[in-house]
Amino acid sequence: GAVVSQHPSRVICKSGTSVKIECRSLDFQATTMFWYRQFPKQSLMLMATSNEGSKATYEQGVEKDKFLINHASLTLSTLTVTSAHPEDSSFYICSARDGAAMNTEAFFGQGTRLTVV
Amino acid sequence: GNSVTQMEGPVTLSEEAFLTINCTYTATGYPSLFWYVQYPGEGLQLLLKATKADDKGSNKGFEATYRKETTSFHLEKGSVQVSDSAVYFCALTPLTGNQFYFGTGTSLTVIP
Repeated sequence: GAVVSQHPSRVICKSGTSVKIECRSLDFQATTMFWYRQFPKQSLMLMATSNEGSKATYEQGVEKDKFLINHASLTLSTLTVTSAHPEDSSFYICSARDGAAMNTEAFFGQGTRLTVV
Repeated sequence: GNSVTQMEGPVTLSEEAFLTINCTYTATGYPSLFWYVQYPGEGLQLLLKATKADDKGSNKGFEATYRKETTSFHLEKGSVQVSDSAVYFCALTPLTGNQFYFGTGTSLTVIP
């Protein structure tokens, strides 16, 4: 089946630094990718929808200047957490759908555990 | 609008017990319905899906039937195992559009 690869799986960074998370669709073209944030024992919170070649659409309450999303190709989207602070520590998950297929499931990356110290 | 309402957890069962996790949805038109499973520290994996009314999705002993009349997609398994311990998410995607709508997740713990 289709695979979405997310990297890194874990990252620890200092407050004030920026962290980039990559999301790749390995065997299909994803015109749209989604970025989620998950707090402990809670559901997925959609942060933004990433569209190839255009600006991302952010959900209400998500700071677009803090969470920079770039979807430069049909197989790669990146999320950059800028000037990270401890409250940004969380589990971030990306997902993608095969743009050529109808009624298909979303494929998820393995997630990235971000810890800001 | 589109939304998914899922049974609150956590659920704790003994091995070989019967499992039901309720899921109901609200959607315009005819959505596709999914169950995803998340093991600790990992992303979500598709467990099963159904794309039209009366379809039954099944995988690894889990089943769910797309019931349009009750707008439900309940997850069932006849005999759970310790390895089924995970968080289960019900989700839908509308006929048009790319976005997924998730339930809040139900944590299942199976004890030997």
